Order: sequence, then structure tokens, then C-alpha cells
Amino acid sequence: QKEVEQDPGPLSVPEGAIVSLNCTYSNSAFQYFMWYRQYSRKGPELLMYTYSSGNKEDGRFTAQVDKSSKYISLFIRDSQPSDSATYLCAMSAGGFQKLVFGTGTRLLVSP
Amino acid sequence: DTAVSQTPKYLVTQMGNDKSIKCEQNLGHDTMYWYKQDSKKFLKIMFSYNNKELIINETVPNRFSPKSPDKAHLNLHINSLELGDSAVYFCASSQAPKTSGVYNEQFFGPGTRLTVL
Repeated sequence: QKEVEQDPGPLSVPEGAIVSLNCTYSNSAFQYFMWYRQYSRKGPELLMYTYSSGNKEDGRFTAQVDKSSKYISLFIRDSQPSDSATYLCAMSAGGFQKLVFGTGTRLLVSP
Repeated sequence: DTAVSQTPKYLVTQMGNDKSIKCEQNLGHDTMYWYKQDSKKFLKIMFSYNNKELIINETVPNRFSPKSPDKAHLNLHINSLELGDSAVYFCASSQAPKTSGVYNEQFFGPGTRLTVL
């Protein structure tokens, strides 16, 4: 069993839809929870991160962490075709501990 | 200005050959990483260096040898290439990680697509 589980998709939605992306994890030492976006043939880029539990909002994006359930989510409101990409969750215990990635969910937003 | 650059972008080679991938960052970061992304998009850490010192060495075959000549460069040399080494290799850099609740973002390069025939 992988440390971080993520549905690979693809997830297809129409423009304007609310998208929900999720990851579960098994390592209770994880304290930092990140969402990276990766366009085709590009390197991942950080969307947002959350430390410990709680919610964080940045424009159309909201990240949620529920440490009691070992479950994290990324919500995208008013999705756009330009949001079509692979979304990778990543987690770390902090310090020099390694960043552990999920397998990524491929999102397709159609006009 | 490119923040994290890798050369080459594409590498096609035969089994058994030795090859190197170079990485440079101009962000002034102390910490650099090598990741491998397989055909299913799974991204996994291979090595991490902080101030030229190896701090993470995952269970990677010893055919893979990273070298950090200075803080701005981290190269990856691969001996005796195998079919299973085909993947996209990403270099990344960040400020030194903290435990204070602040995440120092890892900036990724564009990747090197390695194909072993």
C-alpha cells in the first residue's frame, strides 16, 4: 500500500463546474500538505500548501486537511479549460523529511 | 530567467550505456533534489542535497550517482542503463526546509525525458 493514495482519473468536467480532488494517506507524521499542478510535458508547480489541519483559500482554490481522517482535498470553483492538468498531492513530516507524492489526478475541463 | 534548468531535455540511448543529466538553479537555494516520474506519472524522490551534502538517498540502485559540485548545481550520472530507467527525471530546488510551519516551496525544472532502448 502506498503512503499516499490518489485516484488517477481522468476526471472530466464542463467549464464552470466545481471540482473536488482528494488524497488519503497513512503516515500520521505528515504535517505539511501540498497541491502541485503539472501541465503536460512540464515540471510540477506549487498551487498551495497547508500546515497541519484546516482550510486555506486562494482565489478559486480551496485546500482542506482533515488529519483525524488522514484525508486532504482541493476544491476548484468555476473551473476553466486552463485548469486542465494533472494535480498532485504531496506531503511531508517537515524539516529534511522527504516529500511524498500521490500518483496525481488528471483533470480535463471542457469548454 | 529560467529558475531551474536541466540538460538535456531529451535523452535516447541504448541499454548498457552511461549517461549524465545536469541541473542548475539560479534561485540562491541551498537544497536540491532529484525525482523520477514513471510512465504512470508517479513522482518519487531519489536524492536530496543540502549545501552540497547528501541528506536523502532513497532506495536507488547504486548505478545512480548524484554529484553536487556547488550549491547551484546537482548532476545525476547513471551507469549501465536499463530499460526500467526510462522515465522523466526532474531536478528541484528549495530553501532549506523548516519545521516551523512554513513550507519552503520546491521549484521544479522542466524535466529530462530518458528513453532506454
